[in-house]
Amino acid sequence: AQSVTQPDIHITVSEGASLELRCNYSYGATPYLFWYVQSPGQGLQLLLKYFSGDTLVQGIKGFEAEFKRSQSSFNLRKPSVHWSDAAEYFCAVGVGANDYKLSFGAGTTVTVRA
Amino acid sequence: AAGVIQSPRHLIKEKRETATLKCYPIPRHDTVYWYQQGPGQDPQFLISFYEKMQSDKGSIPDRFSAQQFSDYHSELNMSSLELGDSALYFCASSHSDFQETQYFGPGTRLLVL
Repeated sequence: AQSVTQPDIHITVSEGASLELRCNYSYGATPYLFWYVQSPGQGLQLLLKYFSGDTLVQGIKGFEAEFKRSQSSFNLRKPSVHWSDAAEYFCAVGVGANDYKLSFGAGTTVTVRA
Repeated sequence: AAGVIQSPRHLIKEKRETATLKCYPIPRHDTVYWYQQGPGQDPQFLISFYEKMQSDKGSIPDRFSAQQFSDYHSELNMSSLELGDSALYFCASSHSDFQETQYFGPGTRLLVL
């Protein structure tokens, strides 16, 4: 079965600093990979996704992620964090033949300090 | 752009009561997924429907049932509610041509007392 690991439970970063969130997956083939963001009490918003092709994908809100097959990783990055980026970030894997139910990592909570 | 609509947004029930959660997918989306997110947990897949047929099933208790209707909206029925059912329930939808990408609704927060 596929699994997703987000090693960092909580990250604190200063506003304007760079951010990197780690995600490792376990799956026999290359799955569909996603990053979602969840603000407190809110739903899940899709930041970006990777299916194939260019391993560096651009998303919304200035985020990007890089797929590295050799490391089974799909890390999320942002060059300069804004206070509004404080939220919980979930990495997810989608696999399936008839549908693509998502398997989520445990999430990383990002705190932004002024 | 239209998004996934879930109702109600908040629901308070007593133990052993029943609850019905509704999900209205994005127009022209034909696939619906249900997820449960317990406090401090990551979302867990419950069940999915494609063209009104159940397409996959996850860790959904036998006390729960769901269906997708002809207009593609879906309902999650929960009976004999337990305290542990208190969670945020998400619905997501996708189009069969782009099934890999799911769009989530705002969720229904269920509190069982």
